[in-house]
Amino acid sequence: EVQLVESGGGLIQPGGSLRLSCAGSGLTVKNNYMSWVRQAPGKGLEWVSAIYSGGSTYYADSVKGRFSISRDNAKNTLSLQMNGLRAEDTAMYYCARLYSSSSRWFDSWGQGTLVTVSS
Amino acid sequence: DIQMTQSPSTLSASVGDRVTITCRASQSISSGLAWYQQRPGKAPKFLIYKASNLESGVPSNFSGSGSGTDFTLTISSLQPDDFATYYCQQYNTYPLTFGGGTKVEIK
Repeated sequence: EVQLVESGGGLIQPGGSLRLSCAGSGLTVKNNYMSWVRQAPGKGLEWVSAIYSGGSTYYADSVKGRFSISRDNAKNTLSLQMNGLRAEDTAMYYCARLYSSSSRWFDSWGQGTLVTVSS
Repeated sequence: DIQMTQSPSTLSASVGDRVTITCRASQSISSGLAWYQQRPGKAPKFLIYKASNLESGVPSNFSGSGSGTDFTLTISSLQPDDFATYYCQQYNTYPLTFGGGTKVEIK
């Protein structure tokens, strides 16, 4: 069974940086297509970023240039480095697996980690 | 970007009712549509892919249909566990985009 467990969320001031992690079990992160999806409080789902097994990365325009997705193969984890945080980045951040590079639905989700950007 | 529009935003229904949720894409996405269920305080749960294919373990009272720009999610007989918010998602092109959600609440 695939399990994804996020960590690293918290309260951060505008302009600050935060690094989220997603620990995988039941799957090898580096061999899968992984993604981050966020949900602002009381709002809908928003795709943030994806990384493919070959290393290709994709970003939503709203985070391009500020966020960076990566993997730690030794730790079997997915990460999201978030810089230049803004109030509008406040959200629950979910780690999710994409089924494949062309079938880009999210078939497994973590429980989420909450990021609050506020002074 | 492809915009996904769901309707209605809220739906009031009773146990046993048949409910239909609509999702419209701003341009054709062929069958590149997925559906998710999200209960309060929980992560989304994957339900349907390629517009009409049920994920393993999803109850058969759920069904999806459509292609091109117009899609529907139908729950044939609403069960207590089905009261939740439902999202469609297009995966035809990046950026991946979701509909705004449809909350199915108890009448």
